[in-house]
Amino acid sequence: GQNIDQPTEMTATEGAIVQINCTYQTSGFNGLFWYQQHAGEAPTFLSYNVLDGLEEKGRFSSFLSRSKGYSYLLLKELQMKDSASYLCAVMDSNYQLIWGAGTKLIIKP
Amino acid sequence: ETGVTQTPRHLVMGMTNKKSLKCEQHLGHNAMYWYKQSAKKPLELMFVYSLEERVENNSVPSRFSPECPNSSHLFLHLHTLQPEDSALYLCASSQDVAGGYNEQFFGPGTRLTVL
Repeated sequence: GQNIDQPTEMTATEGAIVQINCTYQTSGFNGLFWYQQHAGEAPTFLSYNVLDGLEEKGRFSSFLSRSKGYSYLLLKELQMKDSASYLCAVMDSNYQLIWGAGTKLIIKP
Repeated sequence: ETGVTQTPRHLVMGMTNKKSLKCEQHLGHNAMYWYKQSAKKPLELMFVYSLEERVENNSVPSRFSPECPNSSHLFLHLHTLQPEDSALYLCASSQDVAGGYNEQFFGPGTRLTVL
């Protein structure tokens, strides 16, 4: 079967750095997405990786290793507004998104 | 209106009621999706439409009935629901169904409670 694993919850301090990991096993691979979802709101797109390596976008970076079935989302200079759930999703060979259950990130002052 | 809108935002219904969820996208996209989001579970894809034709139906119970009258509107008709159907129902759209970089844009969701 297809599976996406990510930690259920993480806690970090304002101003610090946090890394959220995602491992996957899917039927084919057409890219990996990270979405942010604040409580009670819609998921919003953060990043897309299809080739190995690091993609940087401001305070957020996303890394992919296809051979290891592994990705991480790196958040720097954490702000209180970064408290949210972070969803990892992989597009399989049928171009269907397979979703992880999300990682709830709690930022403390 | 911009992006993807959904109505109602909250819905409480009894098991014998019939109700409909509405989704509208203002992005000119060709594909639309219905997802179910339950607490601490992955997003579950329910239905996919491409240019108003259903292309995916992931073993969803018949008490959920989708309708896509045009590429901008998507409905989810509900009848004889069960309490375990209580969840957040999200609508999304994307430029197309296939293709690698195919970002999905989500609506705010309808929080459904079945009593």
